[in-house]
Amino acid sequence: ETGVTQTPRHLVMGMTNKKSLKCEQHLGHNAMYWYKQSAKKPLELMFVYNFKEQTENNSVPSRFSPECPNSSHLFLHLHTLQPEDSALYLCASSQVGLAVSTDTQYFGPGTRLTVL
Amino acid sequence: DAKTTQPTSMDCAEGRAANLPCNHSTISGNEYVYWYRQIHSQGPQYIIHGLKNNETNEMASLIITEDRKSSTLILPHATLRDTAVYYCIVRFYGSGNTGKLIFGQGTTLQVKP
Repeated sequence: ETGVTQTPRHLVMGMTNKKSLKCEQHLGHNAMYWYKQSAKKPLELMFVYNFKEQTENNSVPSRFSPECPNSSHLFLHLHTLQPEDSALYLCASSQVGLAVSTDTQYFGPGTRLTVL
Repeated sequence: DAKTTQPTSMDCAEGRAANLPCNHSTISGNEYVYWYRQIHSQGPQYIIHGLKNNETNEMASLIITEDRKSSTLILPHATLRDTAVYYCIVRFYGSGNTGKLIFGQGTTLQVKP
């Protein structure tokens, strides 16, 4: 496997279900991200993990719970979602440096989530 | 992060150069210009980035004006597979900072046969 992989690619769940999205990066990066893309809307940053520590939470509802057990894996745990949470969920990773530099985010293919 | 302005949509003939403009008049000295594209319902794909010099890679060229207030992404020989939404993003990066990518609506490029 190369790059950033996400599983499952498609997920249909009811509002009372609990499910998890998985992201794995094979790039040796130290930062990982969750984004949400609703229909006809720009990508929205949800969470940022830097060296396994959450450094950003963009006012995301608590029904979305991220987990980063190591720098290669990122999960998004879902529970009691609403139909409006249906969207494409994208994971990205990058290599964050300690000095002024640039880091490029590489995205996975996304998980298409439908909440019924 | 500075706001960017892009045309909503553009057409390009297959085999011709596609020139996608972006205005970022409020860009500051330590903000980079990034370009990504997103083919329908896939993850965004990194294309190129630059600070003030023009940049070229195997995918595209990035031309940044001297005052850095605008830039142009050039796809030298557009193919049908280049049909996508193209995002121009300006992004601060500082020490230990995971500089955010803030996506706008982008430009929908339609490459036509």
